[in-house]
Amino acid sequence: GAVVSQHPSRVICKSGTSVKIECRSLDFQATTMFWYRQFPKQSLMLMATSNEGSKATYEQGVEKDKFLINHASLTLSTLTVTSAHPEDSSFYICSAQRWGSNQPQHFGDGTRLSIL
Amino acid sequence: GDSVTQMEGPVTLSEEAFLTINCTYTATGYPSLFWYVQYPGEGLQLLLKATKADDKGSNKGFEATYRKETTSFHLEKGSVQVSDSAVYFCALSLIEANTGFQKLVFGTGTRLLVSP
Repeated sequence: GAVVSQHPSRVICKSGTSVKIECRSLDFQATTMFWYRQFPKQSLMLMATSNEGSKATYEQGVEKDKFLINHASLTLSTLTVTSAHPEDSSFYICSAQRWGSNQPQHFGDGTRLSIL
Repeated sequence: GDSVTQMEGPVTLSEEAFLTINCTYTATGYPSLFWYVQYPGEGLQLLLKATKADDKGSNKGFEATYRKETTSFHLEKGSVQVSDSAVYFCALSLIEANTGFQKLVFGTGTRLLVSP
């Protein structure tokens, strides 16, 4: 089956630090990758969609300069939370999708980000 | 806009009980419908899907039927196990007209707790 690896699974850092999260599709080529944020006991909120080699498309209300997304290859996308603050603490989940209609999104295991 | 409504949880059942988690949707087009499951501390796993009206998705004893007339995709299982305890998300997938991206819209999730 399709496997998506997300790293790190958990990160704790000081306020003001920038944090990079990686999302890799291990056994398929992902033309599109998605980044979500999940607040405690709530649903997933789509932050941005990225196609390989293109700039990411951000959802309304998501700061582009705060959440930098790079999708440099068909197997890797990164999310960098710049100058993170406590309010950025959350569970971040990526997903990856093959090219083609009705292809499902395959999700990583998520990254728990805690900013002190 | 497009949306998914799920029954609020938690749903608490004894092992071997029958499970129903209701899900209804609102969409302007003809979405594909999904159920995802999230175990504690993990990302989402695709449980089952249906791509057109009257399709039945099934996996691991769970099933759901795409009902266009009632705009529903209720999740059912005949006999739940303790290991089924998780949060279940109903979602619809549509092609966004201006970007061509396939986007998932999630319900708020329903927590299932199964006791021995």
